[in-house]
Amino acid sequence: AQSVAQPEDQVNVAEGNPLTVKCTYSVSGNPYLFWYVQYPNRGLQFLLKYITGDNLVKGSYGFEAEFNKSQTSFHLKKPSALVSDSALYFCAVREGNSGYSTLTFGKGTMLLVSP
Amino acid sequence: DTAVSQTPKYLVTQMGNDKSIKCEQNLGHDTMYWYKQDSKKFLKIMFSYNNKELIINETVPNRFSPKSPDKAHLNLHINSLELGDSAVYFCASSQARRGRNTGELFFGEGSRLTVL
Repeated sequence: AQSVAQPEDQVNVAEGNPLTVKCTYSVSGNPYLFWYVQYPNRGLQFLLKYITGDNLVKGSYGFEAEFNKSQTSFHLKKPSALVSDSALYFCAVREGNSGYSTLTFGKGTMLLVSP
Repeated sequence: DTAVSQTPKYLVTQMGNDKSIKCEQNLGHDTMYWYKQDSKKFLKIMFSYNNKELIINETVPNRFSPKSPDKAHLNLHINSLELGDSAVYFCASSQARRGRNTGELFFGEGSRLTVL
């Protein structure tokens, strides 16, 4: 079975400071890893993904994430937070060797960026 | 031009009623999904269809019946609604390549169901 852990319910950061939202995963084969963002009363929007290749993945709105196989982590980062980044962030994993495996989501981390 | 569209956006109904939510995607994807997001924001897969064929059914009560008339549409019908069915239901789509689902999911805006 595959699973995702997002250990923080909420992350608070001041505007202009770097931010990190943590994610660890468990999967039997190769992981396909994703980050999504959800604004209030909206659907989820794709930010970035890791399938293979370079461990540092760059995505939308200046976000990036680093795949660390030994620590089974895929933390989301941004060098300089904006107030508009405040939203709910989901990490998700799919088992890569299975053709139609489901995407399993973490419980979400609320990011609050203060002015 | 909305990529994944769901209707209705809001649905308020009484216990015991039957209701449907419709979903359409214009991305040309071959795989569609229904996810349920509860009041704590947990997201759980319910169903997945690939080219109109049901491929994932995650222990959902059989009061929930998905139907895919073609690969661009995936509807969800719910019979005998219960209080616990209150949630936001998200439709999503993705494209499998060479039998592997590496692509990201594109989500609709959600349908908020409230059962009274």
